[in-house]
Amino acid sequence: NAGVTQTPKFRVLKTGQSMTLLCAQDMNHEYMYWYRQDPGMGLRLIHYSVGEGTTAKGEVPDGYNVSRLKKQNFLLGLESAAPSQTSVYFCASSQGGSGANVLTFGAGSRLTVL
Amino acid sequence: QKEVEQDPGPLSVPEGAIVSLNCTYSNSAFQYFMWYRQYSRKGPELLMYTYSSGNKEDGRFTAQVDKSSKYISLFIRDSQPSDSATYLCAMLNTGTASKLTFGTGTRLQVTL
Repeated sequence: NAGVTQTPKFRVLKTGQSMTLLCAQDMNHEYMYWYRQDPGMGLRLIHYSVGEGTTAKGEVPDGYNVSRLKKQNFLLGLESAAPSQTSVYFCASSQGGSGANVLTFGAGSRLTVL
Repeated sequence: QKEVEQDPGPLSVPEGAIVSLNCTYSNSAFQYFMWYRQYSRKGPELLMYTYSSGNKEDGRFTAQVDKSSKYISLFIRDSQPSDSATYLCAMLNTGTASKLTFGTGTRLQVTL
């Protein structure tokens, strides 16, 4: 019963490098989300998906791309990392639809861009 | 102005105290109101949620929503050191593809 698993947990990049964060959920949830969390800014939505093969922009999508080729996986890509992308990234999933839309979060991925 | 405002703290209280955590909001379309707890270096986890106005109780935790004042509260009775965490309020307008709007979080420290 893993819930939401994020890999890697930590990563250090140099400016201009690329990388992909992987999120996997085993709850058969329809919706998946990528957030970033910065001091004083709270959780900000980067991109989200309401089903396999769909993606949509959130509040702060610039500099990131996502893909949802399989229902259980949601990938977040940084094509050319910048120091402003230093943050803690959280993936979340939910059943979606009507109602409270309770999110289950992963443990986070800490990214530092030098 | 942010849609959801939350005092970042930190809030320090002695063990056994009653804690009050609050958020204000500006969007009258919000219908679900949630509280998430986040321990250091962990992901947020849902504590409880309420629909529309009113109170909801779960053990030592009580959530209150006052839609007329656009104000929500989380009360923690008999606070314990294990309650030390950051508490995030979150709100949902069901017409926005189920996207939550989060407060910035209040850091709580319960001391022995």
